[in-house]
Amino acid sequence: NAGVTQTPKFRVLKTGQSMTLLCAQDMNHEYMYWYRQDPGMGLRLIHYSVGEGTTAKGEVPDGYNVSRLKKQNFLLGLESAAPSQTSVYFCASSSFPLFRTNEKLFFGSGTQLSVL
Amino acid sequence: ILNVEQSPQSLHVQEGDSTNFTCSFPSSNFYALHWYRWETAKSPEALFVMTLNGDEKKKGRISATLNTKEGYSYLYIKGSQPEDSATYLCAFDNQGGKLIFGQGTELSVKP
Repeated sequence: NAGVTQTPKFRVLKTGQSMTLLCAQDMNHEYMYWYRQDPGMGLRLIHYSVGEGTTAKGEVPDGYNVSRLKKQNFLLGLESAAPSQTSVYFCASSSFPLFRTNEKLFFGSGTQLSVL
Repeated sequence: ILNVEQSPQSLHVQEGDSTNFTCSFPSSNFYALHWYRWETAKSPEALFVMTLNGDEKKKGRISATLNTKEGYSYLYIKGSQPEDSATYLCAFDNQGGKLIFGQGTELSVKP
């Protein structure tokens, strides 16, 4: 039972390089999210998707792009990485809107990204 | 900017102690309050999703209460065990689906 899988788990980039983080879920969830976790701060929402082919901005979208071409995959792209994007990135998914009673997020195991 | 505050930031207790921590959130426009448990090197896992003022939820030795009018939730752990050591995150939903997370309470339980 894989759940939510993120790749890669670790990555080191130089400033200006680009990369894509992949999130895949096998639970047929409609909703998918990308968060970043920084020391002393809560998880902050970067972008999210409410279904295949849709994306929307979260709290901290600048410097990131996303795509949801297939329902099971949600990609997070950094076009020109900056040291401020050094963080731990988490993908999450949910089957229904979160405001439905008892609906919760299922998280991936995280990607540790360092930008030098 | 909406703030979700958790206190304390860290907590060290002995095995067998009972403990509690607080999540404070804006009292307006409430949809839901989530609690997640996050063990080192693992993914955060949902403990509770609470939607009604006065809600109380329980899972084994862990329970939570919710006061939406004053904007706080308490998480209680009865008889802490070393395996309870983790960071406990709360998250506030005021927009029907976009969670705002607190910074977490890091709990360490010593045998």
